[in-house]
Amino acid sequence: GAGVSQTPSNKVTEKGKYVELRCDPISGHTALYWYRQSLGQGPEFLIYFQGTGAADDSGLPNDRFFAVRPEGSVSTLKIQRTERGDSAMYLCASSWDHNSPLHFGNGTRLTVT
Amino acid sequence: AQRVTQPEKLLSVFKGAPVELKCNYSYSGSPELFWYVQYSRQRLQLLLRHISRESIKGFTADLNKGETSFHLKKPFAQEEDSAMYYCALRSAGGGNKLTFGTGTQLKVEL
Repeated sequence: GAGVSQTPSNKVTEKGKYVELRCDPISGHTALYWYRQSLGQGPEFLIYFQGTGAADDSGLPNDRFFAVRPEGSVSTLKIQRTERGDSAMYLCASSWDHNSPLHFGNGTRLTVT
Repeated sequence: AQRVTQPEKLLSVFKGAPVELKCNYSYSGSPELFWYVQYSRQRLQLLLRHISRESIKGFTADLNKGETSFHLKKPFAQEEDSAMYYCALRSAGGGNKLTFGTGTQLKVEL
């Protein structure tokens, strides 16, 4: 079956602009995660959804970052007033529940110029 | 705070040679450790988890609480093992909120 799908695969934006990154999890997976991976680093946790609600958003770096999952399936990560430091690979992952294995998407590479 | 350290950015071995990818962690409680792998042009995927005590693709990893290590080992490297390997830690009750290391690029040469 289809895996976790992330769109776009690449996004180039100018400093100060607003961007949205989309994640379509595996059907039936109730848990959804966003991670960010900077060059030369491992993935870093941003936020976790259980169903429609954000169960843990402790990894969001500041209030420019926001994520939603209104119907408990697709999620959108929103970044306002982008900064060059936001440039990274943004990974989405989903799982049946909070403890079952994670399935990652291919990521969205965000470049802020 | 929990931390995962992978001291080697790059490990190069010859085909058929043993492989050991190092992973050390710091965590005050009882962690669960994982190895994730990313092959070229593929997505990050789970390789193995310590609680399963299994061998996947010939790889094994033993949690050593005394040395706070979870090294990944394989007795005979294969060309298809070339990939990026990440060690990750889950804190007690942490679910899939994982702390990853910086990764080790394994290159198996012929």
